[in-house]
Amino acid sequence: AQSVTQLGSHVSVSEGALVLLRCNYSSSVPPYLFWYVQYPNQGLQLLLKYTSAATLVKGINGFEAEFKKSETSFHLTKPSAHMRDAAEYFCAVNLQGAQKLVFGQGTRLTINP
Amino acid sequence: NAGVTQTPKFQVLKTGQSMTLQCAQDMNHEYMSWYRQDPGMGLRLIHYSVGAGITDQGEVPNGYNVSRSTTEDFPLRLLSAAPSQTSVYFCASSSSVNEQFFGPGTRLTVL
Repeated sequence: AQSVTQLGSHVSVSEGALVLLRCNYSSSVPPYLFWYVQYPNQGLQLLLKYTSAATLVKGINGFEAEFKKSETSFHLTKPSAHMRDAAEYFCAVNLQGAQKLVFGQGTRLTINP
Repeated sequence: NAGVTQTPKFQVLKTGQSMTLQCAQDMNHEYMSWYRQDPGMGLRLIHYSVGAGITDQGEVPNGYNVSRSTTEDFPLRLLSAAPSQTSVYFCASSSSVNEQFFGPGTRLTVL
């Protein structure tokens, strides 16, 4: 069965610092991978997705993620954090052709001024 | 386009009561799903549908029913509410399984 693990339920960085949110997956076949962001009291919004094309994926708001098959990872990064990046971030996986997403537990990102 | 809409935004129920959470989308998407979000557990799939008349169970289907009579609507029914169903419920739709669009959520409290 496929699953997703996000390392760290809460990450805190200073404004302008590097953001790194970790996601590892387990899947017996190459998966599709996603990062979603949830701002307070809102639904989820897609940040970026990997669908077996380029391994380095660029998303909205300056975020990017790299698919590393050897490490079964899909970590999310942003070079310079901004206050507006404070939110909860979810990694998700689905098998190619499957009908449903499996989400990680979420990581709450706090930005310190 | 309104996207994915959910009603109500908030609801308080007593144990044993029934209710229906409404979800509608105006993007002509085939796929629709219901998730519940609980602290520290991410989102868990309750039920999903790949088209009108077709539904299937997700990870946590017990206590919930769904039907899909039209492409636009995908209501979620709680037959006899329990405190364990206190959660935030999200509906999502997609034209493919690769990118899902989420509604704003319904916050449900069962006393």
